[in-house]
Amino acid sequence: GNSVTQMEGPVTLSEEAFLTINCTYTATGYPSLFWYVQYPGEGLQLLLKATKADDKGSNKGFEATYRKETTSFHLEKGSVQVSDSAVYFCALSPPYQGAQKLVFGQGTRLTINP
Amino acid sequence: GAVVSQHPSWVICKSGTSVKIECRSLDFQATTMFWYRQFPKQSLMLMATSNEGSKATYEQGVEKDKFLINHASLTLSTLTVTSAHPEDSSFYICSVILAGYRDTQYFGPGTRLTVL
Repeated sequence: GNSVTQMEGPVTLSEEAFLTINCTYTATGYPSLFWYVQYPGEGLQLLLKATKADDKGSNKGFEATYRKETTSFHLEKGSVQVSDSAVYFCALSPPYQGAQKLVFGQGTRLTINP
Repeated sequence: GAVVSQHPSWVICKSGTSVKIECRSLDFQATTMFWYRQFPKQSLMLMATSNEGSKATYEQGVEKDKFLINHASLTLSTLTVTSAHPEDSSFYICSVILAGYRDTQYFGPGTRLTVL
């Protein structure tokens, strides 16, 4: 079946540090891949997505590249800010399903200290 | 601004009572609505998918008689937890897919249910 595995948190970094949150997936074919972010007290928001191999999704300084050979979609940011503190979820949807049937990883809590 | 709202944001109830949670799509028509459950420090688990005017499709292991879903219009879906018990305490989240935007789910802020 389809599944997503994220690196366990919590992750604590200092402001301006480099961020990587690992995400690997198991799926048949070519799923669409997503990163969602949940700020305190708010709903999940789509951060970025990629729908085919080698695509790079990017938004707000975050990037993730769809790597079919390693079945990965790691989230990176070159210089984090305190406002990036949130819970980050990696997710996939099966091929041809658009955003239907999302399968989420367990989430990674990120705390950025000034 | 927010695309999806939920009400209430938190609720405490006694064991055996029923609780209704509303999910509204603000200003946009939602072709599909989803209900998720999130346990502390765990991922979101899809409970059911509903389309306006039709019966909800429940995921395996979710009791349809316990978690009643009514998708009465293109902007409103309700989840009723019937005869709630402490093990039903959780964070319930809805999401929508908007007409013409099938590649993105928009999530509500969630409802924290505590059953005493």
